[in-house]
Amino acid sequence: DAGVTQSPTHLIKTRGQHVTLRCSPISGHKSVSWYQQVLGQGPQFIFQYYEKEERGRGNFPDRFSARQFPNYSSELNVNALLLGDSALYLCASSLGGASGNEQYFGPGTRLTVT
Amino acid sequence: AQKVTQAQTEISVVEKEDVTLDCVYETRDTTYYLFWYKQPPSGELVFLIRRNSFDEQNEISGRYSWNFQKSTSSFNFTITASQVVDSAVYFCALSPYYGGSQGNLIFGKGTKLSVKP
Repeated sequence: DAGVTQSPTHLIKTRGQHVTLRCSPISGHKSVSWYQQVLGQGPQFIFQYYEKEERGRGNFPDRFSARQFPNYSSELNVNALLLGDSALYLCASSLGGASGNEQYFGPGTRLTVT
Repeated sequence: AQKVTQAQTEISVVEKEDVTLDCVYETRDTTYYLFWYKQPPSGELVFLIRRNSFDEQNEISGRYSWNFQKSTSSFNFTITASQVVDSAVYFCALSPYYGGSQGNLIFGKGTKLSVKP
């Protein structure tokens, strides 16, 4: 079975632009979470979605938004990009629900803002 | 507040040495999960273990072992007979447990392990 996939792999944007990152979860997984990992730091939680509903939101500005589609894939959108948004963006999927399951991560999208 | 501290920023060992990576966590929750992930240079986080707060039994998986001590809020990770392929950044993480479902992961800053031949 395929793991979590993310696209694109790398992306270069200019300050002020917006970006859309995409994630496809492991087949059968209904929960998707997004994390931002700045160089040299641990990942920071951005959003969690389960069954197309937002289940959690980290301490990120409103420029960050996300959604989950009926096929459980997800998009992360970032508007008005800042230099500080340069990071590795990681998507994780899990079965979700009441069973409390481990999250499996994709390879990430490396975003560079110039 | 919930927090994970990995005090060791970088560790360098020679192949076949044993190495322990420390993790200390803070939470007011009585129910929570603890995790270890490995991040090789490729960047993808690889799940290693999940432990819930009710289970303080130590676990061994091959050369890997984990020591969970609730009394000291620690969840340490030991690699026995380290190998060059173990070189990576290792993250400890904490997850709250809301109404029967797992919440988001709170990561430490990671420990970079270098295993030299």
